[in-house]
Amino acid sequence: DIQMTQSPSSVSASVGDRVTITCQASQDINNYLNWYQQKPGKAPKLLIYDASNLETGVPLRFSGSGSGTDFTFTISSLQPEDIATYYCQQYDPLSYMYTFGQGTKLEIK
Amino acid sequence: QVQLVESGGGLVKPGGSLRLSCAASGFTFSDYYMTWVRQAPGKGLEWLSYISTSGSTKYHADSVKGRFTVSRDNAKNSLYLHMNSLRVEDTALYYCVRDSGSYFLDYWGQGTLVTVSS
Repeated sequence: DIQMTQSPSSVSASVGDRVTITCQASQDINNYLNWYQQKPGKAPKLLIYDASNLETGVPLRFSGSGSGTDFTFTISSLQPEDIATYYCQQYDPLSYMYTFGQGTKLEIK
Repeated sequence: QVQLVESGGGLVKPGGSLRLSCAASGFTFSDYYMTWVRQAPGKGLEWLSYISTSGSTKYHADSVKGRFTVSRDNAKNSLYLHMNSLRVEDTALYYCVRDSGSYFLDYWGQGTLVTVSS
């Protein structure tokens, strides 16, 4: 099974800061890597799909990059409403399994 | 607009059974793969099961294989999760989630809470 390692587990940043979260797969997953935002008490929301594609309606300050085993999620200028936990997720077409990263809790300083 | 509404959660004793339902609307249900994802209190997301558009293909996570079964009724625009031999560690919020068709999860329900406790 493919393992996903997401880091950091938590991050504290100031409004306007650039925030970066990484996700590493245990083997090549091409670009089958997606990013979700979960605000407290809410269901997760898709932000980025196939590593770098912004879901419709998602602000342009969110972006994703990477391929193979190493992926990055970036918020270019942190806003107060971005407080949430962020998850990466991969799909393995050989095992037909979806796997989530452990999550990164983002807080405002 | 796309809506996914889960129901059927509740309190059940260890070893018991429960059937979760998900009512879908706002899209052609029979055109989409569907999945179940759960989240234990204070924990991360865990994918549980996947079902193809026709229902002929199903996959389950190892943690629930042999105990949980996903099914769907396209005529009723409904997704189900049949849960048997429930354990305390199955306590979680269970989400019904649409797969876009390209293996990312584009619409989520609000979840239904399952509590397994004696």
